[in-house]
Amino acid sequence: DAGVIQSPRHEVTEMGQEVTLRCKPISGHNSLFWYRQTMMRGLELLIYFNNNVPIDDSGMPEDRFSAKMPNASFSTLKIQPSEPRDSAVYFCASSSGIRGYTFGSGTRLTVV
Amino acid sequence: AQSVSQHNHHVILSEAASLELGCNYSYGGTVNLFWYVQYPGQHLQLLLKYFSGDPLVKGIKGFEAEFIKSKFSFNLRKPSVQWSDTAEYFCAVNVDSGNTPLVFGKGTRLSVIA
Repeated sequence: DAGVIQSPRHEVTEMGQEVTLRCKPISGHNSLFWYRQTMMRGLELLIYFNNNVPIDDSGMPEDRFSAKMPNASFSTLKIQPSEPRDSAVYFCASSSGIRGYTFGSGTRLTVV
Repeated sequence: AQSVSQHNHHVILSEAASLELGCNYSYGGTVNLFWYVQYPGQHLQLLLKYFSGDPLVKGIKGFEAEFIKSKFSFNLRKPSVQWSDTAEYFCAVNVDSGNTPLVFGKGTRLSVIA
């Protein structure tokens, strides 16, 4: 089991550019969660999917953020256009009921 | 909506000291409770979890936590910390046994000094 795989590990981009973060959940897990971690706000839920369907996106900060899960093995989080205040570590996690949640290694995003 | 409070922002301990990190949650129904650890620059790793049964839960690396329903608490303990326990610790809760999101506390940074 390779765990939850996120890419890229680090991303540095200029303000205004489009950024796409990727996540491959653990096979067989039917829920996927995107979190953002900052010093000021801690770990915030952005959006989550059950069986590839978005359930709650109320944590997505603005229309600049969008997330998709086209199939059970892949999800993307896109920021367009990016701004310096989007700089954070973005974590993806997957789950299959009460067995627990597994987090990916995160993507450290820096927008300059 | 549920919330989680971790009252200690930063804890500094000497090696071999005992540790207790506080966690309180607000939710009137059945909850599942978790403690995660995040070593510097790394992702979150599960230390232990409580779903039901014995309220004293033992996890990895010698950590344990006790669920006290009347106090809405799930404090993390370790009898003797090591330098390698230096990390950030997050308490989290979710409701229902289904696939609902974890709600995290703000975290407690633990620094263990020699």
